[in-house]
Amino acid sequence: QVQLQESGPGLVKPSETLSLTCTVSGYSISSGYYWGWIRQPPGEGLEWIGGLYHGGSASYNPSLRSRVAISLDTSNNQFSLKLTSVTAADTAVYYCARVWHSITIFAVVIRFMDFWGKGTAVTVSS
Amino acid sequence: QSALTQPASVSGSLGQSITISCTGTNSDVGGYNYVSWYQQHPGKAPKVMIYDVTDRPSGVSNRFSGSKSGNTASLTISGLQAEDEADYYCSSYTSSSTLVFGGGTKLTVL
Repeated sequence: QVQLQESGPGLVKPSETLSLTCTVSGYSISSGYYWGWIRQPPGEGLEWIGGLYHGGSASYNPSLRSRVAISLDTSNNQFSLKLTSVTAADTAVYYCARVWHSITIFAVVIRFMDFWGKGTAVTVSS
Repeated sequence: QSALTQPASVSGSLGQSITISCTGTNSDVGGYNYVSWYQQHPGKAPKVMIYDVTDRPSGVSNRFSGSKSGNTASLTISGLQAEDEADYYCSSYTSSSTLVFGGGTKLTVL
């Protein structure tokens, strides 16, 4: 069974960098699939942050593209999220997920998420 | 990118059927057959119920079905059960090579 677990600080100061790690068990992240991050502000809906697959380029939400970076660490079977210059608007539960995708001649098509972590709450506050 | 449009809430009685709509544009819902639906209970991670507009993952009840017409996708739940009470989110691939979610719909089972 594929399992994902987010980890990282629960409190980040404004203007600093939010860094989270997702540890995957039950599947090798270098074997395929897209790996992504999604967040949910308190009382609000879901927001796609971005993702990537082994050997491919990352895809980011246009509204976050200038501040976000996602990378894979295949040796530890983990992938990570870095979000710079955070503000209170970045306060949310952050989820990592395994993402089904299709590769076409035009683009990498992001389809859906089948396995999710339980989520980790991050608060941006001084 | 703008979020897909869903009704804020829907309700139905036990045993009845309900439909949740998800409206986008030609650049997302209407342009691709990559709409998915997620169920989220309070404090829990989302769970995929429908993917690629109409497909149901193994283990998901056949009471859940999806469809699409033009720029609007729909999730139908038949034979409502108490455990169906949850928030539901649609999502779609977009022409920007990214993913967009709907604002979410709270389903109340009466």
